[in-house]
Amino acid sequence: GQQLNQSPQSMFIQEGEDVSMNCTSSSIFNTWLWYKQEPGEGPVLLIALYKAGELTSNGRLTAQFGITRKDSFLNISASIPSDVGIYFCAGVSGSRLTFGEGTQLTVNP
Amino acid sequence: GAVVSQHPSRVICKSGTSVKIECRSLDFQATTMFWYRQFPKQSLMLMATSNEGSKATYEQGVEKDKFLINHASLTLSTLTVTSAHPEDSSFYICSAARTGEQFFGPGTRLTVL
Repeated sequence: GQQLNQSPQSMFIQEGEDVSMNCTSSSIFNTWLWYKQEPGEGPVLLIALYKAGELTSNGRLTAQFGITRKDSFLNISASIPSDVGIYFCAGVSGSRLTFGEGTQLTVNP
Repeated sequence: GAVVSQHPSRVICKSGTSVKIECRSLDFQATTMFWYRQFPKQSLMLMATSNEGSKATYEQGVEKDKFLINHASLTLSTLTVTSAHPEDSSFYICSAARTGEQFFGPGTRLTVL
């Protein structure tokens, strides 16, 4: 089946630093999604990418859909304490979502 | 819009009992809902796709007789964990599809003693 490799698994950063995480896949996806999940909650959609090469921003978040359609990255600029959580990429194929393993982000004030 | 709720948010049960979890789309109709399971420090794994008025489609390795899914209306899908055992303890999350996008519920924490 499809597998997504997400890295890094965890990050510990200081407030104000920029963060970058990425996902790679063994197969092509038509859509890439990035979610944030806080403890005890469901994931919340941050950014959706629909076209290869697309670069999309949402406030301090920027994500790109790789040209090969097998990868995507998410950048968070000027991190703040409330950015803490687990970030998941997800590839969309038909109606199915395949999630990456997640990146646990910790921001120290 | 596009709010999805789950009930209960937490449930603790004894081994061997059955537990029902409800997933509701509050402000839209969803012909398709999805059930995911998430173990601690792991990703969301799709268990099954629930289609209103028809049988659910289960992922490989998910026992359909153990995880009963009923999608009787366009706003409600239920997941029943039958004869629950401690290894079924997990975070169960549903999502409802609208115009191709999935909207996730807040999850249900199941603990089986």
